[in-house]
Amino acid sequence: KAGVTQTPRYLIKTRGQQVTLSCSPISGHRSVSWYQQTPGQGLQFLFEYFSETQRNKGNFPGRFSGRQFSNSRSEMNVSTLELGDSALYLCASNAGGTVNSPLHFGNGTRLTVT
Amino acid sequence: TQLLEQSPQFLSIQEGENLTVYCNSSSVFSSLQWYRQEPGEGPVLLVTVVTGGEVKKLKRLTFQFGDARKDSSLHITAAQPGDTGLYLCAGAYSGGSNYKLTFGKGTLLTVNP
Repeated sequence: KAGVTQTPRYLIKTRGQQVTLSCSPISGHRSVSWYQQTPGQGLQFLFEYFSETQRNKGNFPGRFSGRQFSNSRSEMNVSTLELGDSALYLCASNAGGTVNSPLHFGNGTRLTVT
Repeated sequence: TQLLEQSPQFLSIQEGENLTVYCNSSSVFSSLQWYRQEPGEGPVLLVTVVTGGEVKKLKRLTFQFGDARKDSSLHITAAQPGDTGLYLCAGAYSGGSNYKLTFGKGTLLTVNP
């Protein structure tokens, strides 16, 4: 079974631009979560989707948005990029739909904002 | 905001030594998970603990969940260079969302040969 796939692996953007990151979950997993990882703050929860519905959102500004498609693939978008958005963005899928089931993470997208 | 404190933040030891990593919160967890993350990769689940006082063993790794379900520890016996990585604890808070985990900032472990 293929794991969680995130594309692209690396991105370099300029302040003010926008970016879209993609995540393909493990086949059959309907829950997809997004996390931002930085050295200072660790992993911080962005949002979670299940069957195309956002069920939970973290404490991030509205510049961060996401969506999920009918095939469970998910995208997240960051508009008006700031230097502080530089981070590793991790996507995780989950078979059971709740945190009682383990999260399966992709290898992340490393975003650098200059 | 619920915080999950991990200690120590950094740990550098020699092969063969034992170590313990701690994860603490002022709130009660409904469940707690431990992950290990290696450079360039996403975190990988090691174990989930659910019951207060629970102890789980995974080869040389022993995980303990506090009786009050507010803390957890990870003990590694006879560490090996392959144990090097970032160890993360993550909790689902009792009464909180079932759809998000709160992560600690991690313990970066280096095992020197």
